[in-house]
Amino acid sequence: DAGVIQSPRHEVTEMGQEVTLRCKPISGHNSLFWYRQTMMRGLELLIYFNNNVPIDDSGMPEDRFSAKMPNASFSTLKIQPSEPRDSAVYFCASSSSGTGLAGNTIYFGEGSWLTVV
Amino acid sequence: SQQGEEDPQALSIQEGENATMNCSYKTSINNLQWYRQNSGRGLVHLILIRSNEREKHSGRLRVTLDTSKKSSSLLITASRAADTASYFCLTDSWGKFQFGAGTQVVVTP
Repeated sequence: DAGVIQSPRHEVTEMGQEVTLRCKPISGHNSLFWYRQTMMRGLELLIYFNNNVPIDDSGMPEDRFSAKMPNASFSTLKIQPSEPRDSAVYFCASSSSGTGLAGNTIYFGEGSWLTVV
Repeated sequence: SQQGEEDPQALSIQEGENATMNCSYKTSINNLQWYRQNSGRGLVHLILIRSNEREKHSGRLRVTLDTSKKSSSLLITASRAADTASYFCLTDSWGKFQFGAGTQVVVTP
């Protein structure tokens, strides 16, 4: 089974440019997560979707960030315009969701390594 | 402040020794997961433990959960150089997901 697939793996872009990160969750999973990892702040949850609906976007830093999940097999995280402080590793993750004690393993992709210069 | 806080921040041991790291959290949870991250790579899932469980094993890994103390521990027995990585706990508080800051483990041959 393919795991969570992210693209691009690495991106270097200039400040002010639009960046789009893509994610394909594991087939059959109905929860999808976007995380950001930096040295200063560690791993932060940006947003998560359940059944393609955003459930918690309180971690999205500001209006420059937006995330969509048009269908169960695809999600994007967009930064427009990008800034140097957005440089980080962005992870997508997915799980087959449950509530309470039924919460399930969350599987991570290999990450998109973003550098904004 | 972080839901999951881990200690120690860094741990250096020799091959064959055991490594223990802890994760403490503030609010009640329904499950807690441990992950490993090798340098420059993604997060690999190790173990999920639910709030009604006290201990789980997987190979050389042993995880405990004490909900009264709001803490979990990860024990790696008979460590190997390949265990060198950062280890993170992730708490799930009914749809609120938070990572700890991680423990960086270095295993020297």
